[in-house]
Amino acid sequence: QVHLEESGPGLVKPSETLSLTCTVSGASITSHYWSWIRLSPGKGLEWIGYLYYSGVTDYNPSLKSRVTISVDTSKNQFSLNLDSVTAADTAVYYCARLNYVGSLRFDYWGQGTLVTVSS
Amino acid sequence: IQMTQSPSSLSASVGDRVTITCQASQAITNYLNWYQQTPGRAPRLLVYHASNLETGVPSRFSGGGSGTQFTFTISGLQPEDFGTYYCQQCESLPYTFGQGTKVEI
Repeated sequence: QVHLEESGPGLVKPSETLSLTCTVSGASITSHYWSWIRLSPGKGLEWIGYLYYSGVTDYNPSLKSRVTISVDTSKNQFSLNLDSVTAADTAVYYCARLNYVGSLRFDYWGQGTLVTVSS
Repeated sequence: IQMTQSPSSLSASVGDRVTITCQASQAITNYLNWYQQTPGRAPRLLVYHASNLETGVPSRFSGGGSGTQFTFTISGLQPEDFGTYYCQQCESLPYTFGQGTKVEI
């Protein structure tokens, strides 16, 4: 069974960088695409971006200037960095697998981790 | 692509048939998925490519539609079906979600 688990600080100060890691088990990070998605009261669910293990990435234009998604194949992990955060970045952050076999869909998700931006 | 769901919330009884609609701002070639989200749990994929039931999902859940109009139906609502349901398009980047429909039992 594929399992994803997010980890990282639950509190980040304004203007600093939000950093989260997703650890994948039950599947190789070298298969499929891997994404970050967030849920906030004001914006609902928002796709942040995706990564393929080769380094191919794509980001939501609304966040593109501040986002970096990277991979560590040796640890079967991928990570999210979001720069210059504000209170608007307070959200539950999910990592998810983007399955492209037959169709495109997010078929496995982590439990989510709440990140609060506050001084 | 903007996704608009309706209704935003509903209350129904066990055994009821519940239908949620999702309208896309432009035609999408059935790259439309439905998810259930309950507090504290990972979102769960229920239906993909508009009408395909994900493995292990009960057959009371179904999806349909094409073009810009899609529907999601629960035939025989169960107590464990409470939560918020989202549609999501994978037709083009950036992938976008509907605003959600909160289902109360």
